[in-house]
Amino acid sequence: DAGITQSPRHKVTETGTPVTLRCHQTENHRYMYWYRQDPGHGLRLIHYSYGVKDTDKGEVSDGYSVSRSKTEDFLLTLESATSSQTSVYFCAISESTDVYGYTFGSGTRLTVV
Amino acid sequence: DQQVKQNSPSLSVQEGRISILNCDYTNSMFDYFLWYKKYPAEGPTFLISISSIKDKNEDGRFTVFLNKSAKHLSLHIVPSQPGDSAVYFCAASSGGSNYKLTFGKGTLLTVNP
Repeated sequence: DAGITQSPRHKVTETGTPVTLRCHQTENHRYMYWYRQDPGHGLRLIHYSYGVKDTDKGEVSDGYSVSRSKTEDFLLTLESATSSQTSVYFCAISESTDVYGYTFGSGTRLTVV
Repeated sequence: DQQVKQNSPSLSVQEGRISILNCDYTNSMFDYFLWYKKYPAEGPTFLISISSIKDKNEDGRFTVFLNKSAKHLSLHIVPSQPGDSAVYFCAASSGGSNYKLTFGKGTLLTVNP
């Protein structure tokens, strides 16, 4: 979807290194989310943001931090990557009144070796 | 505690037949429900939704049924087509707002030609 882009699309990194994933939107939506998708677990919320500099934890936030300094950008940082963080990461955006729920990005496949 | 449950990890149907995907929820505060469809290497996309004030919503070949007393919803696809083969996620929110969705683990639907 042209309104939301994730970068990089693929990344391989070594255990113990910091990694930052970027989500960029052009829709001026208030809410932004980071999810991870793993087999047998579906979509699990890592962190979300309800405005610039306003963020909160989701159900699987340990080992992750986020920042949102501008409406359009939401960064997810793995402070020290571990193999258990190998996953596909999805960013999503929404407005609370949007009946279509979230718009998801295309995902970032992260492999920690 | 999983608040949205999709107990069937996979479902296989023949082309032209009906596909029925099920979802159960435990949180009685949920009042808005959505289905998302996900193809490999893509982000989930919105499919259909239903408010708790309704018990049925139709959109072409897709119909969602809601049984509030049983805390159960289902997605019917009639007729099923090979292009419907994907992972389907059920999601729910409360307060009439979609700003924080809770997702199920997903069901992989395979439609065989």
